[in-house]
Amino acid sequence: DTGVSQDPRHKITKRGQNVTFRCDPISEHNRLYWYRQTLGQGPEFLTYFQNEAQLEKSRLLSDRFSAERPKGSFSTLEIQRTEQGDSAMYLCASSPDGATNEKLFFGSGTQLSVL
Amino acid sequence: GDSVTQMEGPVTLSEEAFLTINCTYTATGYPSLFWYVQYPGEGLQLLLKATKADDKGSNKGFEATYRKETTSFHLEKGSVQVSDSAVYFCALRNNAGNMLTFGGGTRLMVKP
Repeated sequence: DTGVSQDPRHKITKRGQNVTFRCDPISEHNRLYWYRQTLGQGPEFLTYFQNEAQLEKSRLLSDRFSAERPKGSFSTLEIQRTEQGDSAMYLCASSPDGATNEKLFFGSGTQLSVL
Repeated sequence: GDSVTQMEGPVTLSEEAFLTINCTYTATGYPSLFWYVQYPGEGLQLLLKATKADDKGSNKGFEATYRKETTSFHLEKGSVQVSDSAVYFCALRNNAGNMLTFGGGTRLMVKP
């Protein structure tokens, strides 16, 4: 069990640029989540995958945001035309199916700074 | 919609002091309740959970009881250690959904 891995750890970009983050969940975890956390706040749900299917999307996820999980393993989160308000920590989490799915395993996050 | 409210921090205690971090929630139905902890430089990890009213979750000396009548899930520990210094997040999962709703977090600092 190598844990949930996120890449990169930090990303600095200029307003208007596109950025992409990657998440590698714990192997055999079917469920994958993306959250966003701003300083001093708790994580806010963005989207959820069951295998390769994106089953839930938050209203926070504007049309500039897109997430994929093409083969049901790793996932990517892309933000197009970044804005300063997108600056946050982007967290990925995974969990198995079944009764234990309430325990989410979080990665260390990708810190995005939009200048 | 669902929401979780935690006491604001930071909470600063001396080692071996008693800890309480208040958490109240608003949700439809019968949510499951959680405490997650984030140690410096690490990802969030589950500390304890309770899935129905009057359940008590416990782990590493921490406890929290699911109180439906007061919609609360306060975190307690009888004797804190310096190693407990972290940010603590209360969260709920509504049985109708798949995601967690988190409170704003409470930073705990324990001094030797």
